[in-house]
Amino acid sequence: GAVVSQHPSWVICKSGTSVKIECRSLDFQATTMFWYRQFPKQSLMLMATSNEGSKATYEQGVEKDKFLINHASLTLSTLTVTSAHPEDSSFYICSAREGSGTYEQYFGPGTRLTVT
Amino acid sequence: DAKTTQPPSMDCAEGRAANLPCNHSTISGNEYVYWYRQIHSQGPQYIIHGLKNNETNEMASLIITEDRKSSTLILPHATLRDTAVYYCIVRPIQGAQKLVFGQGTRLTINP
Repeated sequence: GAVVSQHPSWVICKSGTSVKIECRSLDFQATTMFWYRQFPKQSLMLMATSNEGSKATYEQGVEKDKFLINHASLTLSTLTVTSAHPEDSSFYICSAREGSGTYEQYFGPGTRLTVT
Repeated sequence: DAKTTQPPSMDCAEGRAANLPCNHSTISGNEYVYWYRQIHSQGPQYIIHGLKNNETNEMASLIITEDRKSSTLILPHATLRDTAVYYCIVRPIQGAQKLVFGQGTRLTINP
């Protein structure tokens, strides 16, 4: 099956700093990538959808200026958490879809962010 | 909001079949039923999906009722590695392709 990687797998940062998380599709070209957030013992919540070469579409309640998403190529999307605070500590997961229609979404392994 | 209802937790003995139910009474004719699972601290893994007919692959079988208002995911011979949260998701055939995750079923396989 298609492989999606994330880097880093975990990161600890101090309050007020910014953190960048990378999502890569390793063996296919991803026209669309999705970013999710998951708090402990909760389900995944979609944050935003990004299409290669265009601006991301954010879900209601997600601050676009705080969670910057860049989908500059067909194999890479990045999520930058700006001015991170402890409440941003979470498990961030990306998924990638090869094309439109019924192409499947493949999920990355997730990135554990801890803000101290 | 998720369009599916699942029991919060289930237990199954190792080697037995695990049957996970899902209600999707408001499903429309142009929506698939998808199943994913998430093992602790990992990303979700695709299992299977279907529209009207029953489906089977190397991981599981999906049984969809004739009225399509409910379905059952069957893991025929559960192993300890099948312990995970299983999500049943309804997704349109066309249009928005985002997946909306509900709370899922936490399946525990016991030795």
